[in-house]
Amino acid sequence: GDSVTQMEGPVTLSEEAFLTINCTYTATGYPSLFWYVQYPGEGLQLLLKATKADDKGSNKGFEATYRKETTSFHLEKGSVQVSDSAVYFCALSASNTGKLIFGQGTTLQVKP
Amino acid sequence: GAVVSQHPSWVICKSGTSVKIECRSLDFQATTMFWYRQFPKQSLMLMATSNEGSKATYEQGVEKDKFLINHASLTLSTLTVTSAHPEDSSFYICSARQGGGNTIYFGEGSWLTVV
Repeated sequence: GDSVTQMEGPVTLSEEAFLTINCTYTATGYPSLFWYVQYPGEGLQLLLKATKADDKGSNKGFEATYRKETTSFHLEKGSVQVSDSAVYFCALSASNTGKLIFGQGTTLQVKP
Repeated sequence: GAVVSQHPSWVICKSGTSVKIECRSLDFQATTMFWYRQFPKQSLMLMATSNEGSKATYEQGVEKDKFLINHASLTLSTLTVTSAHPEDSSFYICSARQGGGNTIYFGEGSWLTVV
């Protein structure tokens, strides 16, 4: 079945460092891909999304490119801030049902 | 923007009792809502799809008689954990689908602890 795999965390970076969180997926057809962020004590917020191959989603300095050939949707940010500390979830939606399949989440800790 | 609200945020209940969690879409109508469960340091797992006015569709392995889902209106879905046990302790989070598209909004989540 469809699945999402993320790199294990926690990822610990210093402020202004470059961030990459890897995400790969397995799906039949052409899924939409998402990154969600969960700040401490809060629910999930959509960070960015891409709906077709080669699309680049971007928001708040984060970006991810839908790579069909490598079935990947890696999250990147050029310069992280302490306020970016959170858990990041990669997810896919393989049909127009609203159902999401999530990766296991990656905890990011940014130190001043 | 669209907001989905869950209540309660935190609940502690005794083993054997039932607890209800509400999920409300505050400024849009949601014909479909979803309930997920998240164990500590693990991913979110879809439990069921809640459709307004009809029975919920449960994912494989989820006990429908234990996790009762009701979606009586276009803005409210409820999850009732019946005869709760300590292993039901988890983070439960709902999402609501706006319209017929792929715009999904998540609630804040509810922490359930069964003692």
